[in-house]
Amino acid sequence: DAGVTQSPTHLIKTRGQQVTLRCSPKSGHDTVSWYQQALGQGPQFIFQYYEEEERQRGNFPDRFSGHQFPNYSSELNVNALLLGDSALYLCASSSYVRISYEQYFGPGTRLTVT
Amino acid sequence: AQKITQTQPGMFVQEKEAVTLDCTYDTSDPSYGLFWYKQPSSGEMIFLIYQGSYDQQNATEGRYSLNFQKARKSANLVISASQLGDSAMYFCAMREGRGSNDYKLSFGAGTTVTVRA
Repeated sequence: DAGVTQSPTHLIKTRGQQVTLRCSPKSGHDTVSWYQQALGQGPQFIFQYYEEEERQRGNFPDRFSGHQFPNYSSELNVNALLLGDSALYLCASSSYVRISYEQYFGPGTRLTVT
Repeated sequence: AQKITQTQPGMFVQEKEAVTLDCTYDTSDPSYGLFWYKQPSSGEMIFLIYQGSYDQQNATEGRYSLNFQKARKSANLVISASQLGDSAMYFCAMREGRGSNDYKLSFGAGTTVTVRA
């Protein structure tokens, strides 16, 4: 049973560029949440997707957008990259209909903006 | 205001000893859940233990136990019989709202634990 997978593992981009990160949820999960974790800090919630719609959003600018596909996988897109976007981006999956605490994280994508 | 406060940036513990990691939280919602995650240097967040606000008993999972003091809004993690593999960053997190499909977690700043042989 595969857990949450994310790609790529590492990424280096230049300021002003755009980036797309990918996440596949754990088998049986249909909800994906994205978090940004700056170095030395706790993760910050970006947004959550269910049924291909953004359900909740944290305090992040519109440069951060996402998408969820019919197979429940998800993408995080960041436009006009800033140096401050350098961080570990974590994806977490859960089940929308099962009201529980179960939420599993992937290994993350480490983004470096130069 | 910070929802989760972890006041210990780093801690050292001797192998086989117990260590307590502090966590205080702030919420006006009567329904909430408290989590502890372990993050090794590899980056993946590993779920350790969960405590619901209505749970009567303190949660335990193997060597991990959660000391839940609701009136003090405290949810400290106790790791017993520390092992070298316990060296990692530990995060306390909170989810507000019962029965909702809200999986948004608010995390603290974390505590780095280093286990010495």
